[in-house]
Formats: sequence, structure tokens, C-alpha cells
Amino acid sequence: GNSVTQMEGPVTLSEEAFLTINCTYTATGYPSLFWYVQYPGEGLQLLLKATKADDKGSNKGFEATYRKETTSFHLEKGSVQVSDSAVYFCALMRGSGSRLTFGEGTQLTVNP
Amino acid sequence: SAVISQKPSRDICQRGTSLTIQCQVDSQVTMMFWYRQQPGQSLTLIATANQGSEATYESGFVIDKFPISRPNLTFSTLTVSNMSPEDSSIYLCSVEAYNEQFFGPGTRLTVL
Repeated sequence: GNSVTQMEGPVTLSEEAFLTINCTYTATGYPSLFWYVQYPGEGLQLLLKATKADDKGSNKGFEATYRKETTSFHLEKGSVQVSDSAVYFCALMRGSGSRLTFGEGTQLTVNP
Repeated sequence: SAVISQKPSRDICQRGTSLTIQCQVDSQVTMMFWYRQQPGQSLTLIATANQGSEATYESGFVIDKFPISRPNLTFSTLTVSNMSPEDSSIYLCSVEAYNEQFFGPGTRLTVL
């Protein structure tokens, strides 16, 4: 079946540090890949997505590249801010009309 | 994108009672999904709801406990029946549009 594995958390960084949150997946075929963010007390917001191999999704300074050969979709940001503190979820979807399969989530805390 | 609202945003309920959560979308959508997020956990799909047909439940979730209605293409309800403290979670509605899923703000349920 489909599964998503995220790096164990939580992650604590200082402001302006470089961020990487690892995400690997298992799925047949070519799923679409997503990163969602959940700010404290809020619902999920789509951060970025990629629908095919070698696609790069980007938004708000965050980037992730769909790597078919390593089945990975790692999230990166060059300089984090305190306002980036949130829980980040990696997810996959196998085609239109399919459910999302989520990773465990990674809590990011950015200190001033 | 699709804009989704949920009611109520939060509630505190007594053991043995039921709560109905409403989900409203600002456009017509075929697929609607209900997820549960237990404290500190990732999201788990409860069921998929298509208009005009019975909801499809995931393993571990049954219609008697989580009845769902889908009367039209913009609205759905999820009822959490005969609640126990283990049902304390965030319940999220999502819809698929443009090959991605959009989430409502969630309903934070506490069962005493």
C-alpha cells in the first residue's frame, strides 16, 4: 500500500537557519506529492505540491523536488523565520479522486 | 482554490451524546473527505462522501459511529455518535479540486 515517512521530530532552529525536513514515500505508479502546514490552532494549508518526477514545488521560500529515483520529497528553506513555526505534513495522492496519505508530521519551532 | 467552512469550530460534549459537524464549500465538488486528527497525531481518513451515494468508510470506522450525509455538491455533515473521551480530536473536512485537496479549518471536539 501507499505510505509516507517523515523525519522524526520535533525540529528546533534559530531564526535564519537552513531547514530540511525529510520525506520519503512508497507508492505504485506516479503519485502527486504535497507539503501541508498547520499553524497552531488552525487547519491545514497547502504549502506546495509536485505532480511528476523532477518537478519542483515552491512557495513562501520553501521548496521541494519530486525525486522518483530516491522516492523522496524533502522540504527545504534557506532562512527560516519565527513565523514558520508550525507542524509540516508530507502527503501523497494517487490520482484524482483518491485519498491523501499523510506522514506523521514534523513540529518545527524557530527561536528568535 | 476552494473555500471551506465548518461548524462548529469547537465544542465540549458529554460522554454518550452525539455531535453533528457541518461542512460547506463555496463551489460544487464531487469528492468530499472527512479526516480525524487525534491530539499530537497525523490525519486519518474516516470516509469519502460522494453526492447521491453512500459514504465509503475506511478500515476501523463504521457508519453507526460516524454517519455522514451528502445531500448536494456543496455540503456534507459528519456525526460523531455516542461519544467517549477517545473521540476527542480535530475533525476536518476536505474537498478535491484542481487535482489537490483543500481543507476546512477543522472542528475541535473535546469529550468529557
